[in-house]
Amino acid sequence: GAVVSQHPSWVICKSGTSVKIECRSLDFQATTMFWYRQFPKQSLMLMATSNEGSKATYEQGVEKDKFLINHASLTLSTLTVTSAHPEDSSFYICSGTQYIAGKVIYEQYFGPGTRLTVT
Amino acid sequence: LAKTTQPISMDSYEGQEVNITCSHNNIATNDYITWYQQFPSQGPRFIIQGYKTKVTNEVASLFIPADRKSSTLSLPRVSLSDTAVYYCLVGDYTGRRALTFGSGTRLQVQP
Repeated sequence: GAVVSQHPSWVICKSGTSVKIECRSLDFQATTMFWYRQFPKQSLMLMATSNEGSKATYEQGVEKDKFLINHASLTLSTLTVTSAHPEDSSFYICSGTQYIAGKVIYEQYFGPGTRLTVT
Repeated sequence: LAKTTQPISMDSYEGQEVNITCSHNNIATNDYITWYQQFPSQGPRFIIQGYKTKVTNEVASLFIPADRKSSTLSLPRVSLSDTAVYYCLVGDYTGRRALTFGSGTRLQVQP
């Protein structure tokens, strides 16, 4: 299957600073990328949907000014956590959708995740 | 979006077949059923996907009855390395909408 990478795999930052997480589709073009957040022992929660070249659509309760998403190309989406606080500490996972011409269904591939710890 | 319901946890032993059933009563015509596996501190990994009847690949089988209101993931001869959380997701085939994750099933395989 297609590969999605994330960088960094883990990051520790101080409260009040900003952190950028990159999500790349390595061998396919992802017209749509999704960002999820996962707290310990919990399921993945969708944060936002981003389509290349347009503004991201955020889920209810997710502050768009705090979690800035940029999907500048078909292979790169970034999530910037601005003015991070300890409660933002979580596991952030991105995914990309590959549309294969002639194939009816899509396939969605997930990145390995980024562990963010805010001290 | 169709909501899914799965058992919270299951226990099994090495070498046994494990069947995890997921209920999705309000699945839509355009929805496909996809199962993912997740290990701690890793992203979900695709296992299998289907629309109806039976689908089989090298790691699992997926059984979907005619009414499509449920599905069963079958893992043949599990090993310790199959200990993970398994998610059943239902979503449309266009890929424009994110998959909604339910609580998942935590499978514990014992030696």
